This record gives sequence, structure tokens and C-alpha cells, in this order.
Amino acid sequence: DQQVKQNSPSLSVQEGRISILNCDYTNSMFDYFLWYKKYPAEGPTFLISISSIKDKNEDGRFTVFLNKSAKHLSLHIVPSQPGDSAVYFCAASAPWSSNTGKLIFGQGTTLQVKP
Amino acid sequence: NAGVTQTPKFQVLKTGQSMTLQCAQDMNHNSMYWYRQDPGMGLRLIYYSASEGTTDKGEVPNGYNVSRLNKREFSLRLESAAPSQTSVYFCASSPPREVYGYTFGSGTRLTVV
Repeated sequence: DQQVKQNSPSLSVQEGRISILNCDYTNSMFDYFLWYKKYPAEGPTFLISISSIKDKNEDGRFTVFLNKSAKHLSLHIVPSQPGDSAVYFCAASAPWSSNTGKLIFGQGTTLQVKP
Repeated sequence: NAGVTQTPKFQVLKTGQSMTLQCAQDMNHNSMYWYRQDPGMGLRLIYYSASEGTTDKGEVPNGYNVSRLNKREFSLRLESAAPSQTSVYFCASSPPREVYGYTFGSGTRLTVV
């Protein structure tokens, strides 16, 4: 069973507009969530994270929202830029993985920002 | 530069051949991981090592073995490659309690024919 799901394989937005990427999870024990960004032929890189004790975390143009009751998080990019075009992975970790830091990833969403 | 180094970057194998993917990190991280990325499946954990001398299975361990040679190095071995193992493989490392995110290598693109 996929514990972390990104149901939209792709998203296309116009430069300057908002990009909203969504992620759902099934395990209420997850206590930390992260977003990674991946360009072709490169490894994923850390983008932004949020603890389960918060409902929002902002870093420049990137904001992550967490709705624990709905087991849903989203990444907002405002304004979107062509350089944001990449695959975005949502990831979650649980208290029982505190010794390993093990993350569970979603399937990824490919964002295309059109000039 | 500090980070995670994977070799090789590309490899083509015939069915039944064996090979070892190498990974080394120089950030003094305790934990290391091997993931595979497949279309529509995201990143799936193959094996991980919480510390030197320990390894554990992840979500998709069948057909693979690993060795945590020392704190820096974590290798992934395919004993008898199958077409289903065609994938992009990523190695990553992290501090003991993941807070700021893994550091990933640039990946190995493996094709099994």
C-alpha cells in the first residue's frame, strides 16, 4: 500500500502564477513531512519541510501547508518560474524511524512552468 | 565538494549478469540508503543502513544485497540481474534523525537487457 500518495502525475502552469502540488498520506503516525525537487539526470534535493505540530511553513516563494485531519499537505510556489520546472516528491517520516531517518516517498509530480 | 558520490552513472547489463553499485559520502552521516526510481512509482527504498555494521531491508529488497563497508561506503549488489531491475538507482545519506533532508547522489541509470 502506498502510504504517501501524489495523485497528480503532472501539472502545467504559466510563469508568474501559483503552482499547487498536493500530497496525501494514510498513516496518522507520520510526524515530519518534506518536499524534494528533482531535475533530470540529478538526484533529488531538499526543498522545504514541516513538522506535524505546525500547519504552515514558509521559505521565500515556497510554502507548505499541512492539514492533519485530512492527512493532506500541499506545496505552494508563488510566483512560479520556469526554473521551477522539475519533479517534486513529497516524503514523510515517523517517530519509529528516529534512529534511521528513513523516509517514505510519494510517486512524484512533474511541474512544468511555461514562460 | 562534500556530498554523495555514486558510480557508475550508466550501466547496461545482460540478464543474469552481476554488478555492484558503489556509493560513498563524506559528510560523516550515520545513515545511508538505496532507492530505486521507476515511472509512476516514485522512490522506493531497497535497503538502508542506520549505522556502520547494520543493514535492513526496505520496501523492495528482493534481488539485491548490500554491504556497509565502513561509515562512508554503502554498496548495492545485483547478483543475477533481471529486466525488472531496469531503473534509476539513488544512494542517499542522512544524520541520525532526519530533519533537514537526505543528501542524494546523482543516480545510476541501469538497463538490463
